Amino acid sequence: GENVEQHPSTLSVQEGDSAVIKCTYSDSASNYFPWYKQELGKRPQLIIDIRSNVGEKKDQRIAVTLNKTAKHFSLHITETQPEDSAVYFCAASYAISSGSARQLTFGSGTQLTVLP
Amino acid sequence: GAVVSQHPSWVICKSGTSVKIECRSLDFQATTMFWYRQFPKQSLMLMATSNEGSKATYEQGVEKDKFLINHASLTLSTLTVTSAHPEDSSFYICSASGAGVAYEQYFGPGTRLTVT
Repeated sequence: GENVEQHPSTLSVQEGDSAVIKCTYSDSASNYFPWYKQELGKRPQLIIDIRSNVGEKKDQRIAVTLNKTAKHFSLHITETQPEDSAVYFCAASYAISSGSARQLTFGSGTQLTVLP
Repeated sequence: GAVVSQHPSWVICKSGTSVKIECRSLDFQATTMFWYRQFPKQSLMLMATSNEGSKATYEQGVEKDKFLINHASLTLSTLTVTSAHPEDSSFYICSASGAGVAYEQYFGPGTRLTVT
């Protein structure tokens, strides 16, 4: 099965600086890579995703890059703000079978703290 | 956007009793629902995948006789924790995806289960 590794486990940055979180995956069949932000006691919230036919995607201060050859993908947050503080999870997804829904395998999470 | 609800949001039960958690897709037909368990400061771990009208597929290490999953309609799945023990205390989150080759999973708000 798929295995997703995520680093670092904790990350502290000064407000306004950039934050980068990296993930690697093992199954070359995975072709959808979402990133989630989770605040304490809340549901994971999709913040950006990328499909394997794209190398980079950007949405305002958030960007994701994907290297299929190396099987790694990264989340980049620029101009960080205190409200960006949360736990961030990467995930890799593949179809269980043709035409079926996709199963997500999550990374271990990164606690991001943005210091004012 | 797609909305998934869960009920109850939190529950406290005595050891040995059973607890049922409901997951509903409010504005779309969920052909597949997923159940996750999340312990404090850990990642989401997939427990089982259920397709409407079919038996759930459980992940390795998850006891199917202890965690009963029913997905009787396209808008409702239930997870029953039978003979609950303190080690079953956790945050249980469901997610749902729609018909066809759906990339995104829509997460419920989670249920905090405490077994005393």
